[in-house]
Amino acid sequence: EADIYQTPRYLVIGTGKKITLECSQTMGHDKMYWYQQDPGMELHLIHYSYGVNSTEKGDLSSESTVSRIRTEHFPLTLESARPSHTSQYLCASSEYFAGGTEAFFGQGTRLTVV
Amino acid sequence: LAKTTQPISMDSYEGQEVNITCSHNNIATNDYITWYQQFPSQGPRFIIQGYKTKVTNEVASLFIPADRKSSTLSLPRVSLSDTAVYYCLVASSGGSYIPTFGRGTSLIVHP
Repeated sequence: EADIYQTPRYLVIGTGKKITLECSQTMGHDKMYWYQQDPGMELHLIHYSYGVNSTEKGDLSSESTVSRIRTEHFPLTLESARPSHTSQYLCASSEYFAGGTEAFFGQGTRLTVV
Repeated sequence: LAKTTQPISMDSYEGQEVNITCSHNNIATNDYITWYQQFPSQGPRFIIQGYKTKVTNEVASLFIPADRKSSTLSLPRVSLSDTAVYYCLVASSGGSYIPTFGRGTSLIVHP
């Protein structure tokens, strides 16, 4: 069973608010990822990290930012939420070394900005 | 990174075997083929991975021909609970690999 946790599971927030989506894993994985997915649509990579102090932007441009100060923690922040940010956000992690290793996903945070 | 192509959707009935084929013509020598399953409102879950020939686990089988330009995920005797989106990924063996998901195949199992 995957040991990766996202909080909150659901969040409804007003436009202009600052929010932080939390993601933590207890597997000691170096690589972590954030994906964004609208209902019935594909997952889009928005941020990833190879380890502490490493953050990169993904394929889909996002107004969110991330930080990686500790191996186990990879929070995503929106400074000023807008209705266009309404989506599901999925966090994942995997080991660093070679072999096509599997990614473990959290349960996701469904964000609604009103 | 090798691009993958798989059907957008498939329909089946309970008890049938389902085969989902994925094309990956540009797969590199050291790449693996990996499949994930995603239920509504959940994150994807790894189900199987292979390099060549056949791999089987308690969930599925993965068939990979000698040229490795395609692969087939086989789900034996599906049930309603197998209704999900199935993603085929080509995973680089390098440490810098980042999983990138396409549209996947939406499988609907009917009673």
